[in-house]
Amino acid sequence: AQSVSQHNHHVILSEAASLELGCNYSYGGTVNLFWYVQYPGQHLQLLLKYFSGDPLVKGIKGFEAEFIKSKFSFNLRKPSVQWSDTAEYFCAVNARNTGFQKLVFGTGTRLLVSP
Amino acid sequence: ETGVTQSPTHLIKTRGQQVTLRCSSQSGHNTVSWYQQALGQGPQFIFQYYREEENGRGNFPPRFSGLQFPNYSSELNVNALELDDSALYLCASSFGTSGGSYEQYFGPGTRLTVT
Repeated sequence: AQSVSQHNHHVILSEAASLELGCNYSYGGTVNLFWYVQYPGQHLQLLLKYFSGDPLVKGIKGFEAEFIKSKFSFNLRKPSVQWSDTAEYFCAVNARNTGFQKLVFGTGTRLLVSP
Repeated sequence: ETGVTQSPTHLIKTRGQQVTLRCSSQSGHNTVSWYQQALGQGPQFIFQYYREEENGRGNFPPRFSGLQFPNYSSELNVNALELDDSALYLCASSFGTSGGSYEQYFGPGTRLTVT
């Protein structure tokens, strides 16, 4: 069975600080990887995704993530956070070739950016 | 905004009752997935409907059932409600072939409280 671990449950940063949120998954086969964000009072939004190709993917709002297959990791990064990045971030994985797309989510990381 | 809508926004039910939640998928999408998000957790996959048929299911009992209609909208039905069913229920729509690689777009969710 697939599982996703997000190591940091709560992160507090000052504006302009760099961000890295960890995500590890367990599954031996080919996967699709996602980061979703949930801003306060809003629905889940897709930040970025990895299906294949270049393991460094860029998403919206200056976010990027790197897929390291040997480490089963897909960490999210942003060089300089803004107050508006305050949100909850979810890493998700989908095992390919199962006949349907089931997203398995981590428990989320709450990011608070202080001005 | 993703174009995925859900109704109702909030719902309060009593243990043992039955509930129906509704989802309208984004225009052009043919697949709907349902997730349960308990407080402080990531979303958990309930099931997925593709072209009006259930084509994947998570670890939820049979009292969780669903439908997808010809216009690709969907319903989630839960019978014999239990206190642990209290959660945010998320609908996600997508366009893709069975088992393909594609992203899911989430609605705002229905907050169900069981007393």
